[in-house]
Amino acid sequence: DQQVKQNSPSLSVQEGRISILNCDYTNSMFDYFLWYKKYPAEGPTFLISISSIKDKNEDGRFTVFLNKSAKHLSLHIVPSQPGDSAVYFCAAIYSGGGADGLTFGKGTHLIIQP
Amino acid sequence: KAGVTQTPRYLIKTRGQQVTLSCSPISGHRSVSWYQQTPGQGLQFLFEYFSETQRNKGNFPGRFSGRQFSNSRSEMNVSTLELGDSALYLCASSWAGLAGGLETQYFGPGTRLLVL
Repeated sequence: DQQVKQNSPSLSVQEGRISILNCDYTNSMFDYFLWYKKYPAEGPTFLISISSIKDKNEDGRFTVFLNKSAKHLSLHIVPSQPGDSAVYFCAAIYSGGGADGLTFGKGTHLIIQP
Repeated sequence: KAGVTQTPRYLIKTRGQQVTLSCSPISGHRSVSWYQQTPGQGLQFLFEYFSETQRNKGNFPGRFSGRQFSNSRSEMNVSTLELGDSALYLCASSWAGLAGGLETQYFGPGTRLLVL
C-alpha cells in the first residue's frame, strides 16, 4: 500500500512558466517531508524540505506547500528552467522513528519545453 | 570532498545466486541507508546502519541483509536472487541519518542489478 503517492508520472511545462508537482500521503504520523531531484545515472539530490509545523517553505525558485488536513503537499518551481528537467521524488518520514524509514513516492518526470 | 561511491555500478546475476553490493559513505558520515528503486514500486527503504548497528529496517524479506564496518563502509547482500530483485540499489550517507539532518543525506549513483 503506497503511503506516499505522486499521481502524475510525467508533467510537461513551458520554460519560464510555473511547474507544480503534487504529492499525497496517507500516514498521518508523517511529520517531515522532502523533495528530491534525480537526473539519469545519478542518485537523488535533496531539493527542499518542510516540517509539519509549517505550511510553506521557500528556497529561491522552489516553494513547498503543505496542507496537513488534506495530507497533500506540492512543489512549485518558478520560473521553470531547462535544467529543471528531471524526475522529482516526494518523500516523508515520521521523526519518531519506524520501520518505513524515509518513504518515497514513485516520482514525477518533469519536462521543461523550450 | 569525495561523494558517496557504490561498487559495482552494474551487475548481472542469475536466479538463485547471491550478490554483495558495496557503499562507501562520505568521510565523517556514520549513517548509511539502502534503497531499492524499481519502475513498479519506486524507491523503497531497505535498512539503515549507524555506527555498525542496524537502526531501522524496511519491509523486505530476510534474503536482504546488510552490515556496516568500523570505517562506516557498508555492504548489502541479497541471497537466492529472484527475477524481481532486478533494480537500482541506492545507498545514502549522512552524519545523523534518519534521526535528523536528512537535508544533508547524500545519495550514491547506485548499482544496477539485473537478474536473469
